[in-house]
This record gives sequence, structure tokens and C-alpha cells, in this order.
Amino acid sequence: AQSVSQHNHHVILSEAASLELGCNYSYGGTVNLFWYVQYPGQHLQLLLKYFSGDPLVKGIKGFEAEFIKSKFSFNLRKPSVQWSDTAEYFCAVNARGSGNTGKLIFGQGTTLQVKP
Amino acid sequence: ETGVTQTPRHLVMGMTNKKSLKCEQHLGHNAMYWYKQSAKKPLELMFVYSLEERVENNSVPSRFSPECPNSSHLFLHLHTLQPEDSALYLCASSQDRGRDYYGYTFGSGTRLTVV
Repeated sequence: AQSVSQHNHHVILSEAASLELGCNYSYGGTVNLFWYVQYPGQHLQLLLKYFSGDPLVKGIKGFEAEFIKSKFSFNLRKPSVQWSDTAEYFCAVNARGSGNTGKLIFGQGTTLQVKP
Repeated sequence: ETGVTQTPRHLVMGMTNKKSLKCEQHLGHNAMYWYKQSAKKPLELMFVYSLEERVENNSVPSRFSPECPNSSHLFLHLHTLQPEDSALYLCASSQDRGRDYYGYTFGSGTRLTVV
């Protein structure tokens, strides 16, 4: 069965610090990869996604993620965080191929707290 | 608004009550999903509907009963729930399969409290 693991449950950073959130998945086939963000009191929204092509993808608000196929990883990065990045971040995987629906499997989430 | 609307936003119900959660999408998507979001747990996939047919039921207790009357509407009927069912219930939709799949659009969720 597919699974997604996010290594960091709670991260606390000061403004301007660099961010990297880890995400690993278990599935041997081709995947679509996503990062979603949930700001306090708001709905889940798409931060960025990888389907194919350049393994370094850029998303909104200065976030980027790198797909490393050999490591089954899709880590999220931002060079300099802001207080407004305080939120919960979810990595998700969709297994591509016949018979698979568009369902996403999510990691347990990482709570990011940025101190002003 | 995301294009996926969930009602009600908050619901408090007793263990013997029957209530329903509603989800409506205006995006022309052909797949809809129910997830349960509990504190400090991964989002749990409950049900998947593709082209109005239930294609996945992830060992969800029978006190949760989904209904998808058409591609735009999804319901979750609740009866005789337990306090541990208190959570945020999220609906999502997607254009499933092929080149038109871009992941989910989520609703804002229904915060359910079972007392």
C-alpha cells in the first residue's frame, strides 16, 4: 500500500531562516506529487505539484520542491521564511497508472511556526 | 471560495442524532472525495466517488454513509456517531484520469463535534 511520511512534525523558525521539510513516499510506480498548505482557519490549498519533467518545481510564495526519484523524496524548501508562512504543510502522492483513481495519500503534516 | 462548498461549517450532534454533511462543486470535476482530518493524524481517506460511482471505501464504519446523486453533489450521512468521530471532515474534487488531472480542490470542511 502507498504511504507518505513527513519527518518533521513541528518546526519552529525565526523569520529569514531557511526551510526544508522532508517528505518520502512508498510506491514503486510513477507518481504525481503535491504539497498543500493550510493556514490557520483556512482550507487546504495547493502550494506546488510535480507531474513530470524538471524535478525542481516552483510554487507560490517562493516555495520550491525537488523530486529525487532514487530517494522517493519530494522535499519542500524556501530560502527565507516569513511570519505569514506559519501554517500546516502536507505532502501528498497520487499513484499513476491504470486502475488508479485520482486519490491522494497524505502525510501526517508538519506544523511550521515562524517567529517574528 | 474554492469552488467546493461544504455545509454546514460547524455541527454539534448527540450520539443518537442523524445528520448529513453536504458538499457541492461547481468546477465540472468528475471525482469527489471525503476525508477525515483529526489532530496530529494524517488526512484519512474515507470514500472516493468517480463518475458518481463509489470506487473506494476505506474500511469506514457503517455509521458513515456516503451518497453521490450526481457529479456535483456529495453527501455524508451520519448516525449514532461516537465522540471519537469528532473531527474536521473535508470534501475534495478533481478531474480524474488522464491529462486533466491536476490534483484536488478542497472545501473548507465541516467541524463536527459529537457530544
